[in-house]
Amino acid sequence: QKEVEQDPGPLSVPEGAIVSLNCTYSNSAFQYFMWYRQYSRKGPELLMYTYSSGNKEDGRFTAQVDKSSKYISLFIRDSQPSDSATYLCAIPRNKLVFGAGTILRVKS
Amino acid sequence: SQTIHQWPATLVQPVGSPLSLECTVEGTSNPNLYWYRQAAGRGLQLLFYSVGIGQISSEVPQNLSASRPQDRQFILSSKKLLLSDSGFYLCAWGRGLTEAFFGQGTRLTVV
Repeated sequence: QKEVEQDPGPLSVPEGAIVSLNCTYSNSAFQYFMWYRQYSRKGPELLMYTYSSGNKEDGRFTAQVDKSSKYISLFIRDSQPSDSATYLCAIPRNKLVFGAGTILRVKS
Repeated sequence: SQTIHQWPATLVQPVGSPLSLECTVEGTSNPNLYWYRQAAGRGLQLLFYSVGIGQISSEVPQNLSASRPQDRQFILSSKKLLLSDSGFYLCAWGRGLTEAFFGQGTRLTVV
């Protein structure tokens, strides 16, 4: 079983939609959870991180952790074409372990 | 502020040729340094990481090697490239296990 699993998509939504991106993880001991955004042909950039359970909000982005089900989510409100990118979840173990990334396309 | 430089951005190399990719970090000292590879449609695979000069840990046995000759310099090398070495190579730095700041990547095509 992989430590972090993520549906690669692609996920295509109309502009203004609410987007839900998800990952599952295998080890209940994980405490930090991170989301990276990667534009085409660029390096990933850290978008948000959360510690333990609950929600963290930053503008149109909300990161959520459900430790009981070992499920992490990133919600994007009022999605924009500029949000089109690959979103990767990551968990620090003795190194950062990344999900495969979900390709998001927001259509104008 | 910290910056990371990685070059070249694009590289086309014949099978059997050598490889050298360089990464440098500015604005911090004694960073953790990482080399990742990203194949098309797949996630980031950690190849090497380093916590100090001359200290290299390999995650995946392969045709590649890494070196850290200076505190903020990380080099990825190969003596003879294989077709399977094609991919998007990313250098990253961090101060701990919970962060990684990436360079812009090198797209390597082995022909």
